[in-house]
Amino acid sequence: EIVLTQSPVTLSLSPGERATLSCRASQSVKNYLAWYQQKPGQSPRLLIYSASNRATGIPARFSGSGSGTDFTLTISSLEPEDFAVYYCQQRYSWPGFTFGPGTRVDL
Amino acid sequence: EVELVESGGGLVQPGGSLRLSCVVSGFNFNAHSMDWVRQAPGKGLEGLEWVAHMTSGGNGIYYADSVKGRFTISRDNAKRSLFLQMDSLRVDDTAVYYCARTSRLLCTNGICPIDSWGQGALVTVSS
Repeated sequence: EIVLTQSPVTLSLSPGERATLSCRASQSVKNYLAWYQQKPGQSPRLLIYSASNRATGIPARFSGSGSGTDFTLTISSLEPEDFAVYYCQQRYSWPGFTFGPGTRVDL
Repeated sequence: EVELVESGGGLVQPGGSLRLSCVVSGFNFNAHSMDWVRQAPGKGLEGLEWVAHMTSGGNGIYYADSVKGRFTISRDNAKRSLFLQMDSLRVDDTAVYYCARTSRLLCTNGICPIDSWGQGALVTVSS
């Protein structure tokens, strides 16, 4: 099973700052990696798919990069609504579509 | 509007069974693969755990090792419904269970992410 590791566990930032979140896979997942945002009491929301493609309706301040085992989600300038938990998920390896443990972006 | 609505959650004793249902609307259910994903409550960063996946035609079924042999995913395309039969439940199966749709558009080489989620159904396994 492919294990995803996310860092840092918590990122404490202020509105307007840049957030850089990391996701590392235990073996290559090529570019079959997605990023999700989850706010308290809500279901997750797809932000990025195939490592670098923004999903429908996602603001341009969100960007993804990477391939193989190392991936990054960048939020260029944090808005108040961006404070949430972010998860990566690989869709490359059957049968386990594993998620990372998450990074909390705190105010 | 895409909508996924789970039901069937509740309190069950260890060793018991429960069946979750997910009724969908707003899209062609027959054409989409579907997933169940769960999230254990109240443990700090409440990580997501993928549970099971079923292809649109039902011929491809996959489970996480943690539920293999105990959970069964199924679907009724005529009723636009996805199911998760959970047997031999354990305390560590306690979680919010989400029904989720695999995208058909946001794909690369046939590999597609989850693009829509239900609101979740809480399953509590406790004596």
